[in-house]
Amino acid sequence: DTAVSQTPKYLVTQMGNDKSIKCEQNLGHDTMYWYKQDSKKFLKIMFSYNNKELIINETVPNRFSPKSPDKAHLNLHINSLELGDSAVYFCASSQYSGVGDTQYFGPGTRLTVL
Amino acid sequence: AQSVTQPDIHITVSEGASLELRCNYSYGATPYLFWYVQSPGQGLQLLLKYFSGDTLVQGIKGFEAEFKRSQSSFNLRKPSVHWSDAAEYFCAVASMDTGRRALTFGSGTRLQVQP
Repeated sequence: DTAVSQTPKYLVTQMGNDKSIKCEQNLGHDTMYWYKQDSKKFLKIMFSYNNKELIINETVPNRFSPKSPDKAHLNLHINSLELGDSAVYFCASSQYSGVGDTQYFGPGTRLTVL
Repeated sequence: AQSVTQPDIHITVSEGASLELRCNYSYGATPYLFWYVQSPGQGLQLLLKYFSGDTLVQGIKGFEAEFKRSQSSFNLRKPSVHWSDAAEYFCAVASMDTGRRALTFGSGTRLQVQP
């Protein structure tokens, strides 16, 4: 049983396009996250939602917009894709939003912008 | 600002040899420390975590880590490495002092295992 799933696994697109990545967790967790892993494997938080409420919004271009229709889903929509958006995007979830709550990660979505 | 340093970008060990991966953090008095492993093309899997109490923590797959407050370190160890341990290892930290819920990750250490 997949705990945190993401679709698609790979996404190749042209500059200027708009794309979405979907994330779902079946762990019953309240909090979900989006992380970006760049080409040097460096992982950085982008957003976090707790019960559909945005609680973390790092310095991310406003072309990136997270949407949480319910607490089991957190989608990431990216407008006007740029070359620098190429990365692996990881979704994660934790039971609560407390500091240090263990986060469980999805398999990642590799985005390539041509 | 909180930060995590993994000084070794790449480590190669022989199968059966012992392993130690280094992690140093800089931050407040109450860190929550984690080690994650990322196999090629996979997501991150939690190996172990430290919140409080015994400074030597046991994790999955035979890994352990020791928290040393005086050295601001949380090094990961394994007494005998298996070929399947070849992966990228990430140290991460969160802090009650900052209230920062998200994890701050180190830059990772790639482990290669020679037969």
